Amino acid sequence: NSKVIQTPRYLVKGQGQKAKMRCIPEKGHPVVFWYQQNKNNEFKFLINFQNQEVLQQIDMTEKRFSAECPSNSPCSLEIQSSEAGDSALYLCASSLGGPAEQFFGPGTRLTVL
Amino acid sequence: QQQVRQSPQSLTVWEGETAILNCSYEDSTFNYFPWYQQFPGEGPALLISIRSVSDKKEDGRFTIFFNKREKKLSLHITDSQPGDSATYFCAASAVGSSGNKLIFGIGTLLSVKP
Repeated sequence: NSKVIQTPRYLVKGQGQKAKMRCIPEKGHPVVFWYQQNKNNEFKFLINFQNQEVLQQIDMTEKRFSAECPSNSPCSLEIQSSEAGDSALYLCASSLGGPAEQFFGPGTRLTVL
Repeated sequence: QQQVRQSPQSLTVWEGETAILNCSYEDSTFNYFPWYQQFPGEGPALLISIRSVSDKKEDGRFTIFFNKREKKLSLHITDSQPGDSATYFCAASAVGSSGNKLIFGIGTLLSVKP
């Protein structure tokens, strides 16, 4: 069973509001991924970190999305100005890195009204 | 464009039957293929995975068959149980590049009738 912790489980925001969600990876996993799963079950990779450093991110995250994985603190994903199209399940996954498997948390369900 | 395709979109089998879920991909650099099981309201759970150097991987009632030449793979669930009813996602990654991000298909919704 995955031991990735995500909070909050549900988040409701108005358009233009900030939305912030957190992730605690499995103990000992240095690599963290953020994905977005929409209502059509389409997954979109957003960003990943190894320890505190960004490995890769898509263009979307460079604009309204920001993320960090500070040392000794939960990782976080923040949407600066939420839009209706951001409504989705945001999934955090962690991994030992390299060819190792990714283990997902339960997700944060964001609804933007 | 969809790099990982899954079929069928939904599948219904009777308890005890074998469910066969199909997956295909386009990118020949993909070398790692996990299958995830997701129940409503939960995150995806890793079920079984295979690397491109193998053509078969078995774990209990779950078996992956992999055809590298045709870029196809399938997940066989034998002796299906009602508790297996869930959405199954095939994913792919080119391990060693691009930070190992996963590319997912849109899933197969499996329903197992008792």
